Amino acid sequence: DIVMTQSPDSLAVSLGERATINCKSSQSVLYSSTNKHYLAWYQQKPGQPPKLLIYWASTRESGVPDRFTGSGSGTDFTLTIGSLQAEDVAVYYCHQYYSTPPTFGQGTKVEIK
Amino acid sequence: QVQLVESGGGVVQPGRSLRLSCAASGFTFSSYPMHWVRQAPGKGLEWVAVIKYDGSNKYYGDSVKGRFTISRDNSKNTLFLQMDSLRAEDTAVYYCARDPLPVRFAAAGSGGYFDYWGQGTLVTVSS
Repeated sequence: DIVMTQSPDSLAVSLGERATINCKSSQSVLYSSTNKHYLAWYQQKPGQPPKLLIYWASTRESGVPDRFTGSGSGTDFTLTIGSLQAEDVAVYYCHQYYSTPPTFGQGTKVEIK
Repeated sequence: QVQLVESGGGVVQPGRSLRLSCAASGFTFSSYPMHWVRQAPGKGLEWVAVIKYDGSNKYYGDSVKGRFTISRDNSKNTLFLQMDSLRAEDTAVYYCARDPLPVRFAAAGSGGYFDYWGQGTLVTVSS
């Protein structure tokens, strides 16, 4: 199984500042046949289901604010919240769909400093 | 709009069975693979199972293989998860989720990412 490791486990950021979450996969999630990275990011607020933010490592889902940016390649990926808003307080998960079983990172909790 | 509504959760004793349902609306259910993903209380996300759009292929996580069965009824726009021989460690909120990945892009049998999720149904396995 591909192990997804996120860092940090939690972070506190001031409103309007940048938040950066890292995700490392134990093997590459780049599929040569499509030249795409099979990596998604989700946001989960308390008491709610996860919400898709990013897929293909960097493609923003429709309706997701452009302050959310996904980047990275190979085994190292980053979710950046460009200017943290109060409504961004949540747990964020990365997810690889390159191989079976699909696996998630352990989650990163983002709070307001 | 896309809606996924899970039901069937509850408290069950170890070793017993439970059947979850996920009623889908707002999209052509029969065109999409569907997944179950679970989340133990206070923990992260764990993929459980996937079923292809026509029910032809199914994949399971190792922790549920041989005990859980995923199925679907496309005529009723409903996804199911039959859970047998339940254990305490199966206690979790169970979410159904839609997979929008076109087959031609799939790198793995288990498909793609999850663009819509239900609100979840809580399963508690306890004596």
